[in-house]
Amino acid sequence: AQKVTQAQTEISVVEKEDVTLDCVYETRDTTYYLFWYKQPPSGELVFLIRRNSFDEQNEISGRYSWNFQKSTSSFNFTITASQVVDSAVYFCALSEAREYGNKLVFGAGTILRVKS
Amino acid sequence: NAGVTQTPKFRVLKTGQSMTLLCAQDMNHEYMYWYRQDPGMGLRLIHYSVGEGTTAKGEVPDGYNVSRLKKQNFLLGLESAAPSQTSVYFCASSLRQGLNEKLFFGSGTQLSVL
Repeated sequence: AQKVTQAQTEISVVEKEDVTLDCVYETRDTTYYLFWYKQPPSGELVFLIRRNSFDEQNEISGRYSWNFQKSTSSFNFTITASQVVDSAVYFCALSEAREYGNKLVFGAGTILRVKS
Repeated sequence: NAGVTQTPKFRVLKTGQSMTLLCAQDMNHEYMYWYRQDPGMGLRLIHYSVGEGTTAKGEVPDGYNVSRLKKQNFLLGLESAAPSQTSVYFCASSLRQGLNEKLFFGSGTQLSVL
């Protein structure tokens, strides 16, 4: 079973629309972290946010907001009033502890296209 | 700020050829990683290193070798390239290996094996 599922392969929106990127994860651990990374057209992945398993408070940073719900094992990412510069591939990732070290598992990514 | 630098950015190989990808970081990070990115599969860990002189296997290590002779460099080698190794390769580094540690990525190397 996939550990991190990003069911939306690709999303297209028109500028100024709100868009939510879904992320569902699977883990048996009680302590873990969830991340979102952005991969713009330039290629490198850029860290956006991390959330630990004990903190279910939603977070807002400018036009970005994240909704973490342990009851549904989801960590969704919403962009409000999208802009063309938001066009990128977005990855959700799960960090779990393992005997050999921590393991970071990425979802398949969601391609977001924002059209002007 | 250079961060994590990968060379080359693009490379085309013929089946059976060998090559080395170089990753350099200037942030004095202990931990370094090599990932491959394939469509629909996200990023998968190939090998990683927890410090100078150490390396360990990740999720998909077969067909690759690595070396970390200097703290700032992490090399990924393909001894006999196969078409299945056509992918985008990313190097990353982190200061520590905590659960909450964020990774810093290079801009990737696009490799095609014909």
